[in-house]
Amino acid sequence: GQSLEQPSEVTAVEGAIVQINCTYQTSGFYGLSWYQQHDGGAPTFLSYNALDGLEETGRFSSFLSRSDSYGYLLLQELQMKDSASYFCAVRDHPSGYSTLTFGKGTMLLVSP
Amino acid sequence: NAGVTQTPKFRVLKTGQSMTLLCAQDMNHEYMYWYRQDPGMGLRLIHYSVGEGTTAKGEVPDGYNVSRLKKQNFLLGLESAAPSQTSVYFCASNTRTTGNTEAFFGQGTRLTVV
Repeated sequence: GQSLEQPSEVTAVEGAIVQINCTYQTSGFYGLSWYQQHDGGAPTFLSYNALDGLEETGRFSSFLSRSDSYGYLLLQELQMKDSASYFCAVRDHPSGYSTLTFGKGTMLLVSP
Repeated sequence: NAGVTQTPKFRVLKTGQSMTLLCAQDMNHEYMYWYRQDPGMGLRLIHYSVGEGTTAKGEVPDGYNVSRLKKQNFLLGLESAAPSQTSVYFCASNTRTTGNTEAFFGQGTRLTVV
């Protein structure tokens, strides 16, 4: 089976840095992704790690350690608009019958 | 540039009624998925398809059926709706290209079963 664990809620203030962790137990692993969702709208893709290490995209960075089955999303210079839910997701196969399994999401609340 | 479009956006059903949710994508993607999202439960996979004419069960398939007769369309059917199927339904698609795992989501269908 597939299991992804992430904190349910994280709070921070504008300008701060916050890290959202994700640990996974999956029958197959082919990359960890992160998605953002505002107010129940369509989730949107943020980042993807297939190999160990840090990927940086502007204010957002994502890290993966396959040996630890662990990853995190790092958000820097937080802005009010970053208040949203963040989901980690694992793809189990590179092709064929490949599924994308999501964690339950972390609600990030950014305060002034 | 439509991306992924879901129809309808809102629906109220009575218990026992049937309905079909339509998902259409214009990106020529091979993979398409149906998820349901409930408070505190994240996105749970109902059914998915890896290509035209193929479908497979996800984590929570009971009470739903799907069809993928055309590559661009993925239909989710509820034959006899139950209050437990009250949820927000999201369709997603992505390409089969190895290494490209970005999935594109529709805006969701908010379904209430009374």
